[in-house]
Amino acid sequence: SQQGEEDPQALSIQEGENATMNCSYKTSINNLQWYRQNSGRGLVHLILIRSNEREKHSGRLRVTLDTSKKSSSLLITASRAADTASYFCATDGNTGKLIFGQGTTLQVKP
Amino acid sequence: DAGVIQSPRHEVTEMGQEVTLRCKLISGHNSLFWYRQTMMRGLELLIYFNNNVPIDDSGMPEDRFSAKMPNASFSTLKIQPSEPRDSAVYFCASSWGQGTNQPQHFGDGTRLSIL
Repeated sequence: SQQGEEDPQALSIQEGENATMNCSYKTSINNLQWYRQNSGRGLVHLILIRSNEREKHSGRLRVTLDTSKKSSSLLITASRAADTASYFCATDGNTGKLIFGQGTTLQVKP
Repeated sequence: DAGVIQSPRHEVTEMGQEVTLRCKLISGHNSLFWYRQTMMRGLELLIYFNNNVPIDDSGMPEDRFSAKMPNASFSTLKIQPSEPRDSAVYFCASSWGQGTNQPQHFGDGTRLSIL
């Protein structure tokens, strides 16, 4: 399976700290995407990183991609209580469709 | 801009009944995806359309499930007859282009409970 697997499954930090989530996958990809899901809501797209890119930034978010290790990481800097959510990576694996991981549940305590 | 709109938000019905879930795409998007989310299996792609044509329906569980796009901006997912194991949150998402090189925009889902 080319499913992305997030690590850790759950993360609890204090407001202001940085949060790092990792994603590993099994097959070659064209791109990898990160999404956020707040409780009771749909997924929201955060960042898309292509296989020829190594790092992308968006505000307080930084995504890295290491295709040799088949892994990606999502860093949220200076976390806020509003960042509390589940975070998913999704890979395409040359299948034409996204396969989502099981997600990391992040809790940011005020 | 209006996002992806799903209806109903919640549906509770008895097994054996027909269930119809509805989705309105973002204007200008030409790809439509139906997903199902459960605690046990996570987020699973059921079917996706491009330009109103079903491209991949390999995730549709069985013949009880069917999906249509009667026009470029609207889709339905029908379950007939419904079973308790169909209980889940069903999401639709839309995107521009084909495949996975564009972000997908999700609706807020339909929480389906089959008693």
